[in-house]
Amino acid sequence: DVVMTQSPLSLPVTLGQPASISCRSSQSLVYSDGNTYLNWFQQRPGQSPRRLIYKVSNRDSGVPDRFSGSGSGTDFTLKISRVEAEDVGVYYCMQGTHWPNSFGQGTKLEIK
Amino acid sequence: QVQLVESGGGVVQPGGSLRLSCAASGFTFSNYGMHWVRQAPGKGLEWVAFIHYDGIKNYFVDSVKGRFTISRDNSKNTLYLQMNSLRTEDTGIYYCAKLVAGDNWGQGTLVTVSS
Repeated sequence: DVVMTQSPLSLPVTLGQPASISCRSSQSLVYSDGNTYLNWFQQRPGQSPRRLIYKVSNRDSGVPDRFSGSGSGTDFTLKISRVEAEDVGVYYCMQGTHWPNSFGQGTKLEIK
Repeated sequence: QVQLVESGGGVVQPGGSLRLSCAASGFTFSNYGMHWVRQAPGKGLEWVAFIHYDGIKNYFVDSVKGRFTISRDNSKNTLYLQMNSLRTEDTGIYYCAKLVAGDNWGQGTLVTVSS
């Protein structure tokens, strides 16, 4: 099974500053159709998860453009260009290429 | 708009069973595969199961194989998760999710396995 490893697990950030989360997979996430099914989710306190990014770098509808995703193969990154108060929560990467699908451990973003 | 509403959670003893339901509306349910994802108290998200749009193929995380069954009734726009031989480590919030052509999650239903 594919193991997803995120770092850091805790991310204190000053408002207005950038933030970056790394996600590494134990196998390549390139599917036979050429797509890479790597997603990023945000879970605010007390809420259901919400996807931010799909297929590495595509923003979901309504997601602010301060969120961006990049990477390839086994190495991926979520970046927030300028952190806002509403970004507090836990961020998860998830691979949808291989069965069973799997999530990373989560990265808790807090405001310094 | 798309709506997913889970139900069926509750308190059950170890070894017991529960059936979760996820009622879908606002989209053509029979066109999309559906996921179940769970979250133990204070822990991260864990992917549990997936079923194809037609119900023919499904996949599970290793820890629930042989104990959980996923199914759907496209005539009722409803997704199910039959959970048997429940263990204390199955405790958590169970979400259904549609992750194709958009991103949609239910509010979750709490399952507590405890003696």
